[in-house]
Amino acid sequence: GQSLEQPSEVTAVEGAIVQINCTYQTSGFYGLSWYQQHDGGAPTFLSYNALDGLEETGRFSSFLSRSDSYGYLLLQELQMKDSASYFCAGSGYALNFGKGTSLLVTP
Amino acid sequence: GAVVSQHPSRVICKSGTSVKIECRSLDFQATTMFWYRQFPKKSLMLMATSNEGSKATYEQGVEKDKFLINHASLTLSTLTVTSAHPEDSSFYICSGRSGTGQETQYFGPGTRLLVL
Repeated sequence: GQSLEQPSEVTAVEGAIVQINCTYQTSGFYGLSWYQQHDGGAPTFLSYNALDGLEETGRFSSFLSRSDSYGYLLLQELQMKDSASYFCAGSGYALNFGKGTSLLVTP
Repeated sequence: GAVVSQHPSRVICKSGTSVKIECRSLDFQATTMFWYRQFPKKSLMLMATSNEGSKATYEQGVEKDKFLINHASLTLSTLTVTSAHPEDSSFYICSGRSGTGQETQYFGPGTRLLVL
């Protein structure tokens, strides 16, 4: 099975940069995905790292280090609309989600 | 990205009744569909995995006789909560995947179930 740990809450100001870390212990691990979920909504896909290194998609970047069983999601130029829960998920046959990080962006 | 729909989006039912939730992939063929449930402020917990035309695989602790899953076609999977009880009240989310590898899963908008 898989176990993923991420901080429960993060607060940052508008325009800042925030990094959400995710460590995992897993078997059958293929890669690390990140999902965003606003209150009452469904998760939306942000990024997927199958290989070590940094993947950049606009204001969001994601990093994976398999040797360290560690990854992070980096959000730049934070906007108020980025306030949401962010989940890392280990990709095996199915997705195994971490407990989620609640990000609050303040003015 | 690909689109997955769920119906209904919200349902309130009496204890003891059964509720069926539909999950459809609208613009791709979902070889595999996944059903998750999520309690408020909690993570998504995988309930079961279904492949078209075969029996669903349930996660440990999920009662297969209570949560009936049917994946009759490549675009439709259904979850039936039988004899629902208040503790079954939750947010149920499905997702679909087009292949058998590590393709991205696309999530439906979720169904909020309230059992009175």
